[in-house]
Amino acid sequence: DGGITQSPKYLFRKEGQNVTLSCEQNLNHDAMYWYRQDPGQGLRLIYYSQIVNDFQKGDIAEGYSVSREKKESFPLTVTSAQKNPTAFYLCASSGRAYEQYFGPGTRLTVT
Amino acid sequence: DQQVKQNSPSLSVQEGRISILNCDYTNSMFDYFLWYKKYPAEGPTFLISISSIKDKNEDGRFTVFLNKSAKHLSLHIVPSQPGDSAVYFCAASDPYAGNNRKLIWGLGTSLAVNP
Repeated sequence: DGGITQSPKYLFRKEGQNVTLSCEQNLNHDAMYWYRQDPGQGLRLIYYSQIVNDFQKGDIAEGYSVSREKKESFPLTVTSAQKNPTAFYLCASSGRAYEQYFGPGTRLTVT
Repeated sequence: DQQVKQNSPSLSVQEGRISILNCDYTNSMFDYFLWYKKYPAEGPTFLISISSIKDKNEDGRFTVFLNKSAKHLSLHIVPSQPGDSAVYFCAASDPYAGNNRKLIWGLGTSLAVNP
């Protein structure tokens, strides 16, 4: 089955700890994206990557970091510098077309 | 400043009737528009799209209309079903933004289809 997987579905961390969210795709897509969704809000772009070993900041990159060492994987690290890390995080990928395909999301709660 | 606007945060429709979700945009250079459907605590799923060179695209119960002069698009769902209850996002692609794969998103409209 082709698709995007994100793990875990729910994640809990203490304030001050870094945490890494996983995103894997087997769609052979070049581009991958990380979004954040807060209650009542739309999707806000954190980081995106068009090809391996390259990535760009989105609209709200502060306090986050990413890597793209493999085409299939685009992990997101939420650092302790992110002031409001509790949110629903969504990973997406796209091929040659405009459509982005999303994973199931990870709900991160930081207390 | 929102370049893609969904001015109705919510919409309630009776089952079997038509649902019309609206989206306005400010940038006339946008060349491709997409609609996504999202259930709570899940990722959005792609529904339907339209290129700026067209004014209508249809897929089953879903039809998207584009009015370029008004910078307005709408998603029609006919007939509406209870399973259509979700948040619908409108998104646009700007080919001159340096990365035409980056989508500009609206804030979403929550659709409730009542049995």
